[in-house]
Amino acid sequence: EVQLVESGGGLVQPGGSLRLSCTASGFTFTTYELNWVRHAPGKGLEWVSYITSSGKTIYYADSVKGRFTISRDNAKNSLYLQMNSLRAEDTALYYCATFTRKWHYFEYWGQGTLVTVSS
Amino acid sequence: DIQMTQSPSSVSASVGDRVTIICRASQGISTWLAWYQQKPGQAPKLLIYGASSLQSGVPSRFSGSGSGTDFTLTISNLQPEDFATYFCQQANSSPPWTFGQGTKVEIK
Repeated sequence: EVQLVESGGGLVQPGGSLRLSCTASGFTFTTYELNWVRHAPGKGLEWVSYITSSGKTIYYADSVKGRFTISRDNAKNSLYLQMNSLRAEDTALYYCATFTRKWHYFEYWGQGTLVTVSS
Repeated sequence: DIQMTQSPSSVSASVGDRVTIICRASQGISTWLAWYQQKPGQAPKLLIYGASSLQSGVPSRFSGSGSGTDFTLTISNLQPEDFATYFCQQANSSPPWTFGQGTKVEIK
């Protein structure tokens, strides 16, 4: 069974940092492209960041560019998101999600970890 | 960036009804479109990709159509487990990959 389990969310003050983790099992992690997608309260889903299976190609949404860093450790079946200079508008449920093998559709999702940025 | 606009934002329907949700892209995306279902407290679930291809395990009462800028998700014979929020997503080759704002299907 495919499982993606996020962790690392919490309450942080504006300007603070958090590191999210996503641990995967039940599929060949090293062959999947991965993403972080967030869902802010009362808003739609927003793609945040993408990383190829090798980690060599990375993209970010403009809203987080320069503040967030995505990475992965294929030996540990893990995906990470380092979030710095956090803002109130970063408050959201953060999901890790795989793309399908061939195209840019989000196939497998975790249950999410909640990040709240507030003083 | 490609903007995705869904309508309506919510719809009330009864079990057995047919429900249609529309998604419009701000520019042509061929058939690079997916639909997702999300229930409270759960992660989104991929229902349809390529505008009309049913993901494995998804009931055949879900169908998708469209190409270019206009797309439709249809739920025929609405079942109790179908009451949820539905999102479209454009899967163009380049990021950002964007979602519609969602359509909530509620019980009438």
